[in-house]
Amino acid sequence: GAGVSQSPSNKVTEKGKDVELRCDPISGHTALYWYRQSLGQGLEFLIYFQGNSAPDKSGLPSDRFSAERTGGSVSTLTIQRTQQEDSAVYLCASSPGAGPYEQYFGPGTRLTVT
Amino acid sequence: AQRVTQPEKLLSVFKGAPVELKCNYSYSGSPELFWYVQYSRQRLQLLLRHISRESIKGFTADLNKGETSFHLKKPFAQEEDSAMYYCALQTSYDKVIFGPGTSLSVIP
Repeated sequence: GAGVSQSPSNKVTEKGKDVELRCDPISGHTALYWYRQSLGQGLEFLIYFQGNSAPDKSGLPSDRFSAERTGGSVSTLTIQRTQQEDSAVYLCASSPGAGPYEQYFGPGTRLTVT
Repeated sequence: AQRVTQPEKLLSVFKGAPVELKCNYSYSGSPELFWYVQYSRQRLQLLLRHISRESIKGFTADLNKGETSFHLKKPFAQEEDSAMYYCALQTSYDKVIFGPGTSLSVIP
């Protein structure tokens, strides 16, 4: 079946512009995660959704970052007034539910802020 | 504070040699621990999780609560094991914390 998909695969934007990154999880997966992968930094947890609710937003780096999930499916990560330090690969993952389930990762969106 | 450490950024071993990738964690609750792997130009994927107590591709990992460790081991490394390996901790609130990763290179 279809795995997790993310769009766009690459995004180049100018400093100060807003960007939207999209994640389509595996159908039926209720949990959805966003991570940021910077060069040499590993994966940084950003936010987690269970259904449409985000119990833990503690990983969002600043108030320029926001995320929403609608219909228990698609999620959008929005970065306002982008800065050069926002350049990274943004990964989305989904899992069947809350608990120690395997996370299925998308291919990521590579964001470059010039 | 919840934290996962992987002390080796890079690890090189010869084919056929044993390999151990270290992972230590700090968490006051009952941890759920995972190893994820990312092969070149592929997505991040689950390798194994401690709750399953399984061996995948010859790899095993034992949770040592006394030492707060979850080291990944394989007795005989293969070239196809070359990849980036991440240790991950899932808390009771389902937040998942990844370590910084270890890049394993298996030398033919």
